[in-house]
Amino acid sequence: GENVEQHPSTLSVQEGDSAVIKCTYSDSASNYFPWYKQELGKRPQLIIDIRSNVGEKKDQRIAVTLNKTAKHFSLHITETQPEDSAVYFCAASSNTNAGKSTFGDGTTLTVKP
Amino acid sequence: GAGVSQTPSNKVTEKGKYVELRCDPISGHTALYWYRQSLGQGPEFLIYFQGTGAADDSGLPNDRFFAVRPEGSVSTLKIQRTERGDSAVYLCASSLLAGPENEQFFGPGTRLTVL
Repeated sequence: GENVEQHPSTLSVQEGDSAVIKCTYSDSASNYFPWYKQELGKRPQLIIDIRSNVGEKKDQRIAVTLNKTAKHFSLHITETQPEDSAVYFCAASSNTNAGKSTFGDGTTLTVKP
Repeated sequence: GAGVSQTPSNKVTEKGKYVELRCDPISGHTALYWYRQSLGQGPEFLIYFQGTGAADDSGLPNDRFFAVRPEGSVSTLKIQRTERGDSAVYLCASSLLAGPENEQFFGPGTRLTVL
């Protein structure tokens, strides 16, 4: 089955700096890669996703890149703000596992004011 | 209505007892998923439903776990003979259709503690 690894497990940045979180996956059939933000005690919420037919997607301060050959994808947050502090999860799924998402173990991002 | 809801929000039980966890998906969503999240880890897939049928139950850890969705809406996750290792947050999610390009909307979770 699919295996998703996520790094780093914790990340601390100064407000205004950029943050990068990286994930690798093992199943070459995976074709959909969402990123979730989970604040303490809250539910995971989708913040951005990318499909395997594109290499990069951007939405304001967040962007995701995908390298299918290397089987890795990354989340980039620019101009970080204290409210970006949360746990971020990457995930992977494929048409062959129609609903089944495999998640990474999360990155705890702390943005210091 | 609002988003996905789950009840109870917290459940404390004793080892060996039976528990039921309920999920109310977003109205009209045909796909429903159950995940388990242990402390410091990402959600772990358990089972998903397309309509009333379990389309993939490969994540259920053993036969103590069972889930139903009899009318294609509300789902119940049932755990028999609970063990301390079952303690986790159980998350439910729903999406309009099954498939990787359909956004999954998560509920707030049920925190299960087995003493």
